[in-house]
Amino acid sequence: GESVGLHLPTLSVQEGDNSIINCAYSNSASDYFIWYKQESGKGPQFIIDIRSNMDKRQGQRVTVLLNKTVKHLSLQIAATQPGDSAVYFCAEPGGTSYGKLTFGQGTILTVHP
Amino acid sequence: EAGVAQSPRYKIIEKRQSVAFWCNPISGHATLYWYQQILGQGPKLLIQFQNNGVVDDSQLPKDRFSAERLKGVDSTLKIQPAKLEDSAVYLCASSLGWGTFRHEQFFGPGTRLTVL
Repeated sequence: GESVGLHLPTLSVQEGDNSIINCAYSNSASDYFIWYKQESGKGPQFIIDIRSNMDKRQGQRVTVLLNKTVKHLSLQIAATQPGDSAVYFCAEPGGTSYGKLTFGQGTILTVHP
Repeated sequence: EAGVAQSPRYKIIEKRQSVAFWCNPISGHATLYWYQQILGQGPKLLIQFQNNGVVDDSQLPKDRFSAERLKGVDSTLKIQPAKLEDSAVYLCASSLGWGTFRHEQFFGPGTRLTVL
């Protein structure tokens, strides 16, 4: 996907709820995806990644699901905490060295205590 | 382990002025990246270095932007002259290497540039 401008999608949840953040991509040949978390005033931080030969990958409190049929991936955060409040981006490495990260549209997650 | 260092954190200039940003990557990281992040958007890669050589600068506006990494460690990004649309956060990132399936990039805190 590509960033589309100033109006980022927003998600507001209560502490303890589960959160689901979505990302669509356009290139059916894409084979690797990364989710990043960006807190205010900080750079993006790696959360979890997934290869296209997988449908699901789990980390600590986070799960990424990949649906190649509809070119969609999602990030699920279990038992969301106030510290999870941030902007979340999906990204695809590419270029000649897999170094060129192309970021999708971010989602602003706000967790209310 | 120290992270990616950037300075300054904030910079305000007038259009047509020049500005420079500095980045010191994580020790031992051969690959260094500069990204531009406009408000409300995801970061966009400007330039990628492998040691002191440029790997990708296809999205760098070369008429006004320049970057160097002379000794293969720290790097500077310069804008000359600045335009209003250059207002953004400039992020530096580094990774151990390149050319493999997964090379985690570690980002610095960024420099927020405001062009008036």
